[in-house]
Amino acid sequence: GAGVSQSPRYKVAKRGQDVALRCDPISGHVSLFWYQQALGQGPEFLTYFQNEAQLDKSGLPSDRFFAERPEGSVSTLKIQRTQQEDSAVYLCASSPLRGLDTEAFFGQGTRLTVV
Amino acid sequence: GENVEQHPSTLSVQEGDSAVIKCTYSDSASNYFPWYKQELGKRPQLIIDIRSNVGEKKDQRIAVTLNKTAKHFSLHITETQPEDSAVYFCATYGNKLVFGAGTILRVKS
Repeated sequence: GAGVSQSPRYKVAKRGQDVALRCDPISGHVSLFWYQQALGQGPEFLTYFQNEAQLDKSGLPSDRFFAERPEGSVSTLKIQRTQQEDSAVYLCASSPLRGLDTEAFFGQGTRLTVV
Repeated sequence: GENVEQHPSTLSVQEGDSAVIKCTYSDSASNYFPWYKQELGKRPQLIIDIRSNVGEKKDQRIAVTLNKTAKHFSLHITETQPEDSAVYFCATYGNKLVFGAGTILRVKS
C-alpha cells in the first residue's frame, strides 16, 4: 500500500484480555517504531526496530507489553492482561533509513479501549 | 532523560494572523527537530523539520527557527487559514524521537 497501515482501527477489550495490534509499514522501510498516545497528549515512545532487530524497548511500560517484527516487515504489538490505563491510541511509524533523524511516516493508529 | 516542553497548549488566532508555537528541550545531543500536524482522528504528518546545523528553514507559510544554545525552537505559521486548525507537535531526536504535549491551534474565520 501507499502508507503505513494499522489494524484494527478500533479495539475494545475487557480488562484482563490479551490484544494484538498489527502494523504494516511502507514496503522497504528499514525502521519501525511504536508509540502510545493518550488522549490530549503527545505520542510516547514505546519501542524501535531496525529490520527484524528490536534495538530499543525502553519505552515499554511493563512486561505485559511485547513487540515483534520477525521478518523485518510487519510488526505486532501485544499487550497481555490489559488494564484500563492501557487505553490509548497506539501509533506505528516507519522510516526508510536507520534511526529517527529523518521523516517518520505514521499509521492512523489503533484506538484501544479497555473496559 | 529527554524532555520536550511545548507552549502554548491552545492557541486561537483570527484567519490571516500569524501563529507561533515554542518548544524547549533538555537533551543537548538532539540534532533533528521535526514538527508534526495531527488533525482530529488522523495520523500525525510531518510539516517541516530542521537539523542542528541550520538556524532557520522556511516552506511557504511555515517556518521553523532553532536556537541550539538556548535549546529552543519555534514554529511560525503566517497568513493562517481555517484548514491550519489542528494539533501541532514538536519533537526532538537525540537517540529517540521525543514529542511535546501538543498545541491545539484554532483559526477563526
